[in-house]
Amino acid sequence: GAGVSQSPSNKVTEKGKDVELRCDPISGHTALYWYRQSLGQGLEFLIYFQGNSAPDKSGLPSDRFSAERTGGSVSTLTIQRTQQEDSAVYLCASSLVGNQPQHFGDGTRLSIL
Amino acid sequence: GQQLNQSPQSMFIQEGEDVSMNCTSSSIFNTWLWYKQDPGEGPVLLIALYKAGELTSNGRLTAQFGITRKDSFLNISASIPSDVGIYFCAGSDPSGGYNKLIFGAGTRLAVHP
Repeated sequence: GAGVSQSPSNKVTEKGKDVELRCDPISGHTALYWYRQSLGQGLEFLIYFQGNSAPDKSGLPSDRFSAERTGGSVSTLTIQRTQQEDSAVYLCASSLVGNQPQHFGDGTRLSIL
Repeated sequence: GQQLNQSPQSMFIQEGEDVSMNCTSSSIFNTWLWYKQDPGEGPVLLIALYKAGELTSNGRLTAQFGITRKDSFLNISASIPSDVGIYFCAGSDPSGGYNKLIFGAGTRLAVHP
């Protein structure tokens, strides 16, 4: 499809496990963002990638969170040693360039038992 | 940090009624965006505003970028059942050099046929 694709759509894991969430941005979009949405809340910025520039990691809540973007396209958000408070919907967005409107995927719903 | 207050938190209206919701911020934004989110899906962009005082329409939706750059409103005219969902405002932090969006907590709209 032409939109932002995220996988898996749902992930249930035990506390303490590591998880990887994947995002395929819209083809040709150079900017990629990760957000977290807790139940009943708005979106919280996590990290921003623009081309080959160093990412803006200012929104990552702890050093257990990291993200990579390989080849300027696909991105992976990794959460190590998951905690129950990590349970949320993780949304990825992309835009043509950094100052253009962002288009969102449908998110990965992460549940930590 | 910057905060964005969105109101009302929820609305329950009759089909055909007009709806108004707004966002205010503690500091200046250089871009305001309005998104709608349906259950299990990512937010979908409705309207983007880039200039103070700008008034933009998209079908039955109208949004304005406040003159002070600290507020924005969204109006929906003649509501229909498919307008049900959560509406988010988002502002762009001008110091970031890109659309590092700060989101409101959302307005939950229910439309009674």
